[in-house]
Amino acid sequence: KQEVTQIPAALSVPEGENLVLNCSFTDSAIYNLQWFRQDPGKGLTSLLLIQSSQREQTSGRLNASLDKSSGRSTLYIAASQPGDSATYLCAVKGNAGNMLTFGGGTRLMVKP
Amino acid sequence: GAGVSQSPRYKVAKRGQDVALRCDPISGHVSLFWYQQALGQGPEFLTYFQNEAQLDKSGLPSDRFFAERPEGSVSTLKIQRTQQEDSAVYLCASSSMTSVRASEQYFGPGTRLTVT
Repeated sequence: KQEVTQIPAALSVPEGENLVLNCSFTDSAIYNLQWFRQDPGKGLTSLLLIQSSQREQTSGRLNASLDKSSGRSTLYIAASQPGDSATYLCAVKGNAGNMLTFGGGTRLMVKP
Repeated sequence: GAGVSQSPRYKVAKRGQDVALRCDPISGHVSLFWYQQALGQGPEFLTYFQNEAQLDKSGLPSDRFFAERPEGSVSTLKIQRTQQEDSAVYLCASSSMTSVRASEQYFGPGTRLTVT
């Protein structure tokens, strides 16, 4: 059974810092990996989707990398802003089935 | 444009009551998913529909949970005889016709269920 772990569970940084969020998964037979953002009381907003054949994806200040063989992904946020404060979730889609398996999330606080 | 909508947004039920949670997917989206998110945790898969067919219900925690999508559009998640451990946010997601495997899932805002 696929298990997804996110470290750290919570992170507080001053505005302007570059930061890295980590995601690891136990079964490397994945179809793709997605990073989501969740604001309190809201649904999930997709940030980046990386197909299993890709190594990274970039969108603005966000860069996500994927090392499928080692079961790891990182989300890099450059020049963090208070508006980046949210919970960030990593999810993988396996080669069998269509559902997503989520990590527990990293709760990020960016202080002005 | 219209995204995935869910109703009600909040539901308080007394233990033992039945509840029904509704999901309106993005128009034209073939696939629909339900997830359960306990406080402080990531979402966990409950069930998956392709059109009106429920293709995977392996995540439903007990036979008190039942989901349907009779016309291949709106879906309802029903929980019978609610228990306190059912308290969670229930998220619905849909994805488009083009290659379910590759397509992204778009999430609704969720229904927060509190069982007292």
